[in-house]
Amino acid sequence: QVQLRQSGPGLVEPSGTLSLTCTVSGGSISYSNWWSWVRKSPGKGLEWIGEISQSGDTNYNPSLKGRVSMSVDKSKSQLSLKLTFVTAADTAVYYCTKWHPMDVWGQGTTVTVSS
Amino acid sequence: EIVLTQSPLSLSVTPGEPASISCGSSQSLLHSNGHYYLDWYLQKPGQPPQLLIFLVSNRASGVPDRFSGSGSGADFTLKISRVEAGDVGIYYCMQALQTPYTFGPGTKLET
Repeated sequence: QVQLRQSGPGLVEPSGTLSLTCTVSGGSISYSNWWSWVRKSPGKGLEWIGEISQSGDTNYNPSLKGRVSMSVDKSKSQLSLKLTFVTAADTAVYYCTKWHPMDVWGQGTTVTVSS
Repeated sequence: EIVLTQSPLSLSVTPGEPASISCGSSQSLLHSNGHYYLDWYLQKPGQPPQLLIFLVSNRASGVPDRFSGSGSGADFTLKISRVEAGDVGIYYCMQALQTPYTFGPGTKLET
């Protein structure tokens, strides 16, 4: 059974870069054609951040204004998310998930943007 | 960007009673392949969202048949035939038709 395990720092300084990794276990990146990242900000709903294919094609949410990038490392069965120039508004729980449908989720990483 | 609305935004239901949540889209969610790309997710406190229903009416693996989805065009409904205490959380509809994929604002279900 495929599982997603997330890792990365829980605290990022303002104007810094948020970096998270999602490792696919019990399978490989090829388990799904596409993978997504979603976040849940305090007091707000769910927001789709973007998606990446097995081959590295990407689609990002325009609301993040070019600050987001995703990558895939097939050899390590890992997905990566980077979000640059973070502000307090980027404080959220971040999830990696299989796409589509989103029936496999990472455990979530709480990221706080603060000095 | 496709905008989704949900109603009600909060719902208090006695266990054993039914519940219904509506989701409206700013445009039809019909894909050229004939499917409507509308899913339902439930997020319980401290947990990642879990898939309940995909493509309007397909229950995800392990989801009890108390949950059902219906709809077409731009109007969709999630129904719970008999609410249980473990169903509490926030229910989100989500459109997967076009990027950026978007979620509804969520409906908080309490018992």
